Amino acid sequence: GQQVMQIPQYQHVQEGEDFTTYCNSSTTLSNIQWYKQRPGGHPVFLIQLVKSGEVKKQKRLTFQFGEAKKNSSLHITATQTTDVGTYFCAGWSGNTNAGKSTFGDGTTLTVKP
Amino acid sequence: DGGITQSPKYLFRKEGQNVTLSCEQNLNHDAMYWYRQDPGQGLRLIYYSQIVNDFQKGDIAEGYSVSREKKESFPLTVTSAQKNPTAFYLCASSKAGGSYNEQFFGPGTRLTVL
Repeated sequence: GQQVMQIPQYQHVQEGEDFTTYCNSSTTLSNIQWYKQRPGGHPVFLIQLVKSGEVKKQKRLTFQFGEAKKNSSLHITATQTTDVGTYFCAGWSGNTNAGKSTFGDGTTLTVKP
Repeated sequence: DGGITQSPKYLFRKEGQNVTLSCEQNLNHDAMYWYRQDPGQGLRLIYYSQIVNDFQKGDIAEGYSVSREKKESFPLTVTSAQKNPTAFYLCASSKAGGSYNEQFFGPGTRLTVL
């Protein structure tokens, strides 16, 4: 079945440093979604990427979808303590009406002030 | 105020007992999902439903059962057959099933089996 690998599992940074998490799929994806889960909270949708090579920005966050649509990345510039949490990617492949995605295991970001 | 509610937030049960977790949404979404989250792991799909009176097994359905009798409700029963039921359970919904719809998550239920 489809597998989505996410690295690293944990990342500890000093406030102001950059952060990147990578998501790799074993199959070609139709699209990929990114979610953020704050400690003790529930996942919240951040963004969706659909097109090959697509790049989207949200303030200090930059999301990329690979040319082959098998990988994606989330980059945060100049981290802040509010960025703390676990970032998940969720990949969809095959029949886009199939109804289910596969989540990566997430990257947990801690930021030292 | 639209959203997804899950109750209770914390639940304790004795081993061997079945327990039902509630999930209600007033977003008028067609699709609903149940995920299990364990420490250090991602979200694993238990069951999902794209329409009332229909549902499909996810990746880890063994030991769980669901029903979808109403659009707004998608309760999950953790049966005694589930070998390791202690976990954080998240319910989600989306406008429709399929890949282009974001999922909205409830606050979760933390189940502890003693």
